[in-house]
Amino acid sequence: QKEVEQNSGPLSVPEGAIASLNCTYSDRVSQSFFWYRQYSGKSPELIMSIYSNGDKEDGRFTAQLNKASQYVSLLIRDSQPSDSATYLCAVHTGGFKTIFGAGTRLFVKA
Amino acid sequence: DAMVIQNPRYQVTQFGKPVTLSCSQTLNHNVMYWYQQKSSQAPKLLFHYYDKDFNNEADTPDNFQSRRPNTSFCFLDIRSPGLGDAAMYLCATSRDLRLAVYNEQFFGPGTRLTVL
Repeated sequence: QKEVEQNSGPLSVPEGAIASLNCTYSDRVSQSFFWYRQYSGKSPELIMSIYSNGDKEDGRFTAQLNKASQYVSLLIRDSQPSDSATYLCAVHTGGFKTIFGAGTRLFVKA
Repeated sequence: DAMVIQNPRYQVTQFGKPVTLSCSQTLNHNVMYWYQQKSSQAPKLLFHYYDKDFNNEADTPDNFQSRRPNTSFCFLDIRSPGLGDAAMYLCATSRDLRLAVYNEQFFGPGTRLTVL
């Protein structure tokens, strides 16, 4: 059974701090990795994609991928209260399947 | 703006009364997906279309059916909704599956289904 694991949280950080969200996956041949942000009652919104080992930065967001350790993370710098949401890690495992984690709830305290 | 649209945003139905949810996209993407998401859970893939090819997940109940009459539209039919089918239903699209960069999925706003 292919799996994507995330800590459900909640992760609470003060405004302006760095939030670090982590995800592990079980399928070694996975090639595409995604982070989605989901506000309560809303649909997931794609915020980062990463395909190669290393870091990928986009504004305040940095995605990190380590395929050897089967680990992907998302860093949010200068966290804002508007970043409070559930962050879903998703892994494309090949063929037609993308597996989503259940998400980590993030609270940014003003 | 190119987008994925779902209608209705909220649907209330009675136990056992068929319901149809719709999804349309202006992205001209090849692939359309239907997910079911319950509170605090991961989106669960029900099925997807790659162009006209229908792919059902092995654990998707027979109660759920789908139609894709053209590239832009896709429908989710729930033939006899049960209380356990109350959830958010998400439609998503992706450009293609053969290249990693095209696996990105873009979601519509979802339809919240309530079963009375």
